[in-house]
Amino acid sequence: DTGVSQNPRHKITKRGQNVTFRCDPISEHNRLYWYRQTLGQGPEFLTYFQNEAQLEKSRLLSDRFSAERPKGSFSTLEIQRTEQGDSAMYLCASSPDFGTGNTGELFFGEGSRLTVL
Amino acid sequence: AQSVTQLDSQVPVFEEAPVELRCNYSSSVSVYLFWYVQYPNQGLQLLLKYLSGSTLVKGINGFEAEFNKSQTSFHLRKPSVHISDTAEYFCAVSEGGGFKTIFGAGTRLFVKA
Repeated sequence: DTGVSQNPRHKITKRGQNVTFRCDPISEHNRLYWYRQTLGQGPEFLTYFQNEAQLEKSRLLSDRFSAERPKGSFSTLEIQRTEQGDSAMYLCASSPDFGTGNTGELFFGEGSRLTVL
Repeated sequence: AQSVTQLDSQVPVFEEAPVELRCNYSSSVSVYLFWYVQYPNQGLQLLLKYLSGSTLVKGINGFEAEFNKSQTSFHLRKPSVHISDTAEYFCAVSEGGGFKTIFGAGTRLFVKA
């Protein structure tokens, strides 16, 4: 399967702990996105990478959140000092560059569900 | 700034009945419009998209949507639903050529036997 892969699928942690999620995009996709989805809501944009460069960060991404894509392939999203309000599904998506078959479609992984106790 | 409003949070419907899920958007520039579907415990997958051209677009699983620029709407329709269509449906918009896609809050379609 060459789709977007996210790990772990589920994470339960205690408040104050750090957590890290990993996303492996579709291999030929240069663009990578992180979204957060809470119960009853649509995905909310968090951040966007073009290759290894992080080009946009939402105001939703507080200082406790950091995302990296060091070699332009997989990406990690780390949350430090987790709070109960961080409980959500964290979705990763990828897409090709515009001009290389990109029609705006995002290809999503199955998400990483975080529960902060 | 872009925004998306899905007018119904839940839509219950009987099997084989027609359904319409409503979506309105706002944007100051030309947009691309999408409908995604999310089944339980799965990621989102694309149902259909409007980029340009014909305002009636057809997608997978018998769904179609019509872009109405004057009413800034992109409603999703299916003439006859199946139990398997029970899922969450999200309308989304991105500014043409832009990287950021904005999603609506979703409409839960519940198909009853």
